Amino acid sequence: DIVMTQSPDSLALSLGERATINCKSSQSVLYSSNNKNYLAWHQQKPGQPPKLLIYWASTRESGVPDRFSGSGSGTDFTLTISSLQAEDVAVYYCQQYYDTPYTFGQGTKLEIK
Amino acid sequence: QVQLVQSGAEVKKPGASVKVSCKASGYTFTTYTIHWVRQAPGQRLEWMAWIHAGNGNTKYSQKFQGRLTITRDTSATTAYMELSSLTSEDTAVYYCGRDRVFDPWGQGTLVTVSS
Repeated sequence: DIVMTQSPDSLALSLGERATINCKSSQSVLYSSNNKNYLAWHQQKPGQPPKLLIYWASTRESGVPDRFSGSGSGTDFTLTISSLQAEDVAVYYCQQYYDTPYTFGQGTKLEIK
Repeated sequence: QVQLVQSGAEVKKPGASVKVSCKASGYTFTTYTIHWVRQAPGQRLEWMAWIHAGNGNTKYSQKFQGRLTITRDTSATTAYMELSSLTSEDTAVYYCGRDRVFDPWGQGTLVTVSS
């Protein structure tokens, strides 16, 4: 199975600050035939189901604010929130869909300082 | 809008089975896969299986092989997840999602296994 490891486990920042969450996969999730990274990011607010933010490592889902961006390739990926808003308090998960069983990171809890 | 609505919370005794439904609306049901994932307390999200709503093909995580069955009813645009031989370790919130990126997620169904 592909193991997904996120860092840090938790993060506390002030409003307006930049948030950076890292995700590392135990093997590459880049499919060479189409040059796509099979990596998604999800946001889970307290008491809610997760919500898809980004897929193909860097494509924002429709309706997701442009302060959210994804980057990286192969085994190393980053989710960046350019200017933290109060509504961004949540747990963020990376997920690989390169191969079954699809696997998720352990989550990064983002709080306001 | 695209929506997945799951059935309500369940309480089951050890050894029993549970069946959770996931009703889809807002898109052509048969052109996508439906995936199932669970989130046990303090654990990471765990992918369980998928079903292609059109042809009924399935793929299961080896971890659940033999006690997990996923089906679909195209006339009802609904997918089902049935897990048997429940133990306390199956206590979790179960989610369905459209396609392998879970776009969107269902609202979740809490399954509690307790004697």
